[in-house]
Amino acid sequence: SQELEQSPQSLIVQEGKNLTINCTSSKTLYGLYWYKQKYGEGLIFLMMLQKGGEEKSHEKITAKLDEKKQQSSLHITASQPSHAGIYLCGADSNYGGSQGNLIFGKGTKLSVKP
Amino acid sequence: NAGVTQTPKFQVLKTGQSMTLQCAQDMNHNSMYWYRQDPGMGLRLIYYSASEGTTDKGEVPNGYNVSRLNKREFSLRLESAAPSQTSVYFCASSSTTGSSGANVLTFGAGSRLTVL
Repeated sequence: SQELEQSPQSLIVQEGKNLTINCTSSKTLYGLYWYKQKYGEGLIFLMMLQKGGEEKSHEKITAKLDEKKQQSSLHITASQPSHAGIYLCGADSNYGGSQGNLIFGKGTKLSVKP
Repeated sequence: NAGVTQTPKFQVLKTGQSMTLQCAQDMNHNSMYWYRQDPGMGLRLIYYSASEGTTDKGEVPNGYNVSRLNKREFSLRLESAAPSQTSVYFCASSSTTGSSGANVLTFGAGSRLTVL
């Protein structure tokens, strides 16, 4: 079965610093999703990547999918306290022969110190 | 837009008690999901419903039952709660299934369940 490994598990950065979170898959990724979870709340969709080498940006967050489609990175530029939370990567999986279900990494907990 | 609404937000049960978590979405999505989130384990899929009238097991279905009541509602039932079912439960929905790379999930705010 497919597994997603996220690193680091947790991260504390000073406000204004850049940071990168990685997500590595044991199998080829056909759809890679990044979500953010604020403490005690549900997950909010950030970005979706499908093609090898694809890169997307939203405000100060950039996500990339490598050419081999087995690793994705999420980069935050000039971090702010509002970026704090848990970042999870998700990928299309296959349970019981049916597609359309996401599996998730265990998440990266980001804290931003003012 | 309400999106995905889960109830209750918090619940404390005793071992052996039963309860149902309710979930409703107002986005006309075909697919709905129940996940549980545990420290160090991430999000794990319990059951999903690709369309109205169908349900399938996910990664951790034991001890749970689900009902896709209609297109809007997808409930999760614990028939005899166990301490191992203490977790945060998330309902989610999506508009597509079977289309790889186009399965953006919208999540509810979560239901925190404690089984004593």
